[in-house]
Amino acid sequence: EIVLTQSPGTLSLSPGERATLSCRASQTVSSRYLAWYQQKPGQAPRLLIYGASSRATGIPDKFSGSGSGTDFTLTITRLEPEDFAVYYCQQYADSVPVTFGPGTKVDIK
Amino acid sequence: EVQLVESGGGLVEPGGSLRLSCAASGVTFSDAWMSWVRQAPGKGLEWVGRIKGKIDRGTIDYAAPVKGRFTISRDDPKNTLFLQMNSLKTEDTAVYYCTTGSGWHRDAFDVWGQGTMVTVSS
Repeated sequence: EIVLTQSPGTLSLSPGERATLSCRASQTVSSRYLAWYQQKPGQAPRLLIYGASSRATGIPDKFSGSGSGTDFTLTITRLEPEDFAVYYCQQYADSVPVTFGPGTKVDIK
Repeated sequence: EVQLVESGGGLVEPGGSLRLSCAASGVTFSDAWMSWVRQAPGKGLEWVGRIKGKIDRGTIDYAAPVKGRFTISRDDPKNTLFLQMNSLKTEDTAVYYCTTGSGWHRDAFDVWGQGTMVTVSS
Protein backbone atom coordinates (compact mmCIF):
# COMPACT_ATOMS: atom_id res chain seq x y z
CA GLU A 1 0.00 0.00 0.00
CA ILE A 2 1.23 3.50 -0.82
CA VAL A 3 1.05 5.79 2.23
CA LEU A 4 0.52 9.50 1.56
CA THR A 5 1.72 12.21 3.95
CA GLN A 6 0.43 15.76 3.64
CA SER A 7 2.02 18.88 5.05
CA PRO A 8 1.35 21.11 6.74
CA GLY A 9 -1.60 19.78 8.71
CA THR A 10 -3.06 23.27 8.92
CA LEU A 11 -2.20 26.30 6.83
CA SER A 12 -3.36 29.68 8.13
CA LEU A 13 -3.42 32.34 5.42
CA SER A 14 -5.20 35.56 4.54
CA PRO A 15 -7.44 36.12 1.50
CA GLY A 16 -5.33 37.07 -1.50
CA GLU A 17 -2.32 35.03 -0.38
CA ARG A 18 -0.87 31.99 -2.12
CA ALA A 19 -1.22 28.48 -0.64
CA THR A 20 1.29 25.71 -1.26
CA LEU A 21 0.29 22.24 -0.10
CA SER A 22 2.57 19.23 -0.14
CA CYS A 23 1.84 15.53 -0.61
CA ARG A 24 4.58 12.92 -0.26
CA ALA A 25 4.19 9.25 -1.15
CA SER A 26 5.95 6.31 0.51
CA GLN A 27 6.87 4.98 -2.95
CA THR A 28 6.76 6.23 -6.52
CA VAL A 29 3.28 6.96 -7.82
CA SER A 30 3.40 5.49 -11.30
CA SER A 31 2.11 7.37 -14.29
CA ARG A 32 1.48 10.36 -12.11
CA TYR A 33 -1.81 8.90 -10.84
CA LEU A 34 -2.18 11.56 -8.21
CA ALA A 35 -5.30 13.63 -7.56
CA TRP A 36 -6.29 16.51 -5.31
CA TYR A 37 -9.70 17.14 -3.75
CA GLN A 38 -11.31 20.02 -1.89
CA GLN A 39 -13.86 19.34 0.82
CA LYS A 40 -16.01 21.83 2.69
CA PRO A 41 -17.99 20.99 5.85
CA GLY A 42 -21.07 18.89 5.19
CA GLN A 43 -20.22 18.43 1.51
CA ALA A 44 -18.82 15.62 -0.58
CA PRO A 45 -15.28 16.11 -1.85
CA ARG A 46 -14.73 17.87 -5.17
CA LEU A 47 -12.06 16.75 -7.62
CA LEU A 48 -9.65 19.56 -8.45
CA ILE A 49 -6.64 17.92 -10.10
CA TYR A 50 -5.99 14.50 -11.65
CA GLY A 51 -2.91 13.05 -13.29
CA ALA A 52 -0.87 15.26 -10.94
CA SER A 53 -1.37 18.42 -13.02
CA SER A 54 -4.60 18.29 -15.07
CA ARG A 55 -7.48 20.40 -13.84
CA ALA A 56 -10.86 18.72 -13.60
CA THR A 57 -13.82 20.12 -15.50
CA GLY A 58 -14.86 23.55 -14.29
CA ILE A 59 -11.90 24.06 -11.95
CA PRO A 60 -10.43 27.59 -12.23
CA ASP A 61 -6.79 28.08 -13.17
CA LYS A 62 -5.94 29.45 -9.73
CA PHE A 63 -5.61 25.77 -8.78
CA SER A 64 -2.53 24.04 -10.16
CA GLY A 65 -0.82 20.74 -9.47
CA SER A 66 2.75 19.68 -10.02
CA GLY A 67 5.22 16.97 -9.13
CA SER A 68 6.14 13.42 -9.97
CA GLY A 69 7.62 10.34 -8.36
CA THR A 70 6.99 10.75 -4.63
CA ASP A 71 6.60 14.52 -4.24
CA PHE A 72 3.56 16.47 -5.36
CA THR A 73 2.28 20.00 -4.78
CA LEU A 74 -1.06 21.78 -5.00
CA THR A 75 -0.83 25.54 -5.39
CA ILE A 76 -3.73 27.93 -4.94
CA THR A 77 -3.02 31.46 -6.03
CA ARG A 78 -4.96 34.45 -4.66
CA LEU A 79 -7.01 32.73 -1.96
CA GLU A 80 -10.67 33.69 -1.90
CA PRO A 81 -13.11 33.08 0.98
CA GLU A 82 -14.58 30.00 -0.73
CA ASP A 83 -11.12 28.36 -0.94
CA PHE A 84 -10.81 27.88 2.80
CA ALA A 85 -11.44 24.17 3.15
CA VAL A 86 -9.70 20.82 3.65
CA TYR A 87 -7.60 19.48 0.78
CA TYR A 88 -6.78 15.81 0.25
CA CYS A 89 -4.34 14.15 -2.09
CA GLN A 90 -5.08 10.66 -3.43
CA GLN A 91 -3.05 8.14 -5.36
CA TYR A 92 -4.71 5.67 -7.69
CA ALA A 93 -1.84 3.83 -9.29
CA ASP A 94 -2.74 0.60 -10.98
CA SER A 95 -2.63 -2.70 -9.06
CA VAL A 96 -2.42 -1.10 -5.61
CA PRO A 97 -5.19 0.00 -3.26
CA VAL A 98 -6.37 3.56 -3.69
CA THR A 99 -5.23 5.67 -0.76
CA PHE A 100 -5.83 9.21 0.47
CA GLY A 101 -3.59 11.52 2.45
CA PRO A 102 -4.75 12.77 5.88
CA GLY A 103 -5.61 16.22 4.54
CA THR A 104 -4.44 19.81 4.90
CA LYS A 105 -6.83 22.34 6.37
CA VAL A 106 -6.51 25.83 4.89
CA ASP A 107 -8.06 28.29 7.29
CA ILE A 108 -8.36 32.03 7.55
CA LYS A 109 -5.59 33.77 9.44
CA GLU B 1 -25.13 15.02 -16.07
CA VAL B 2 -24.02 12.06 -13.97
CA GLN B 3 -25.86 11.70 -10.66
CA LEU B 4 -25.31 9.24 -7.83
CA VAL B 5 -27.80 8.76 -5.00
CA GLU B 6 -26.97 6.55 -2.02
CA SER B 7 -29.47 4.95 0.33
CA GLY B 8 -29.64 2.32 3.03
CA GLY B 9 -27.68 3.90 5.85
CA GLY B 10 -28.81 3.75 9.46
CA LEU B 11 -28.08 2.53 12.96
CA VAL B 12 -26.92 -1.06 13.42
CA GLU B 13 -25.47 -2.97 16.36
CA PRO B 14 -21.90 -4.29 16.32
CA GLY B 15 -21.79 -7.61 14.52
CA GLY B 16 -24.80 -6.69 12.42
CA SER B 17 -25.26 -6.21 8.70
CA LEU B 18 -26.39 -3.43 6.41
CA ARG B 19 -26.74 -3.08 2.65
CA LEU B 20 -26.13 0.23 0.93
CA SER B 21 -27.35 1.08 -2.55
CA CYS B 22 -26.25 3.70 -5.05
CA ALA B 23 -28.50 4.59 -7.97
CA ALA B 24 -26.68 6.06 -10.96
CA SER B 25 -28.02 8.13 -13.84
CA GLY B 26 -26.49 9.95 -16.79
CA VAL B 27 -23.67 7.45 -17.23
CA THR B 28 -23.07 4.25 -19.21
CA PHE B 29 -23.20 2.34 -15.97
CA SER B 30 -21.98 -1.05 -17.18
CA ASP B 31 -18.64 0.49 -18.25
CA ALA B 32 -18.16 2.62 -15.14
CA TRP B 33 -15.65 1.88 -12.41
CA MET B 34 -17.60 2.42 -9.20
CA SER B 35 -16.06 2.95 -5.78
CA TRP B 36 -17.17 3.36 -2.20
CA VAL B 37 -15.33 5.90 -0.05
CA ARG B 38 -16.11 6.49 3.62
CA GLN B 39 -15.43 9.25 6.11
CA ALA B 40 -15.64 8.72 9.85
CA PRO B 41 -16.93 11.70 11.85
CA GLY B 42 -14.29 14.41 11.94
CA LYS B 43 -11.80 12.25 10.05
CA GLY B 44 -10.35 11.99 6.56
CA LEU B 45 -11.36 10.05 3.47
CA GLU B 46 -10.88 6.28 3.29
CA TRP B 47 -11.31 4.20 0.15
CA VAL B 48 -13.42 1.10 0.83
CA GLY B 49 -13.31 -0.69 -2.49
CA ARG B 50 -14.07 -0.63 -6.21
CA ILE B 51 -15.77 -2.70 -8.87
CA LYS B 52 -14.57 -2.24 -12.45
CA GLY B 53 -16.81 -2.14 -15.48
CA LYS B 54 -17.93 -5.07 -17.60
CA ILE B 55 -15.27 -4.45 -20.21
CA ASP B 56 -12.67 -4.85 -17.45
CA ARG B 57 -14.30 -8.08 -16.27
CA GLY B 58 -15.93 -6.46 -13.24
CA THR B 59 -12.83 -7.00 -11.10
CA ILE B 60 -13.37 -6.09 -7.45
CA ASP B 61 -10.76 -4.77 -5.01
CA TYR B 62 -11.14 -3.97 -1.31
CA ALA B 63 -9.24 -2.01 1.29
CA ALA B 64 -7.62 -4.20 3.94
CA PRO B 65 -9.87 -3.10 6.87
CA VAL B 66 -13.03 -4.34 5.13
CA LYS B 67 -11.78 -7.31 3.12
CA GLY B 68 -13.74 -10.43 4.02
CA ARG B 69 -16.54 -8.46 5.67
CA PHE B 70 -17.78 -6.15 2.90
CA THR B 71 -18.95 -7.16 -0.59
CA ILE B 72 -19.34 -4.82 -3.54
CA SER B 73 -21.68 -5.78 -6.37
CA ARG B 74 -23.57 -4.15 -9.21
CA ASP B 75 -26.82 -4.58 -11.12
CA ASP B 76 -26.05 -3.08 -14.51
CA PRO B 77 -29.59 -3.25 -15.98
CA LYS B 78 -30.81 -1.28 -12.94
CA ASN B 79 -27.81 1.10 -12.88
CA THR B 80 -27.30 0.31 -9.22
CA LEU B 81 -24.23 -0.31 -7.08
CA PHE B 82 -24.36 -2.14 -3.76
CA LEU B 83 -22.24 -2.44 -0.64
CA GLN B 84 -23.10 -5.38 1.61
CA MET B 85 -21.55 -4.84 5.01
CA ASN B 86 -21.36 -7.76 7.45
CA SER B 87 -19.76 -8.22 10.86
CA LEU B 88 -19.90 -4.48 11.38
CA LYS B 89 -17.62 -2.85 13.92
CA THR B 90 -17.90 0.47 15.72
CA GLU B 91 -14.96 1.72 13.63
CA ASP B 92 -17.10 1.28 10.48
CA THR B 93 -19.20 4.26 11.61
CA ALA B 94 -18.92 6.80 8.80
CA VAL B 95 -20.57 8.59 5.94
CA TYR B 96 -20.37 6.26 2.94
CA TYR B 97 -20.03 7.87 -0.49
CA CYS B 98 -20.58 6.24 -3.85
CA THR B 99 -18.24 7.71 -6.43
CA THR B 100 -16.88 7.28 -9.93
CA GLY B 101 -14.34 8.74 -12.33
CA SER B 102 -14.27 9.24 -16.07
CA GLY B 103 -11.89 9.01 -18.98
CA TRP B 104 -8.60 7.25 -18.52
CA HIS B 105 -8.33 8.30 -14.86
CA ARG B 106 -11.28 6.28 -13.65
CA ASP B 107 -10.10 6.21 -10.06
CA ALA B 108 -9.92 10.03 -9.92
CA PHE B 109 -13.41 10.60 -8.60
CA ASP B 110 -15.16 13.46 -10.34
CA VAL B 111 -18.71 12.47 -9.40
CA TRP B 112 -19.85 11.84 -5.82
CA GLY B 113 -23.17 11.04 -4.21
CA GLN B 114 -24.43 12.97 -1.22
CA GLY B 115 -23.39 10.19 1.16
CA THR B 116 -25.33 7.99 3.56
CA MET B 117 -24.56 7.75 7.28
CA VAL B 118 -23.86 4.39 8.87
CA THR B 119 -23.70 4.26 12.67
CA VAL B 120 -22.51 1.09 14.38
CA SER B 121 -23.38 1.25 18.04
CA SER B 122 -25.07 -0.74 20.78
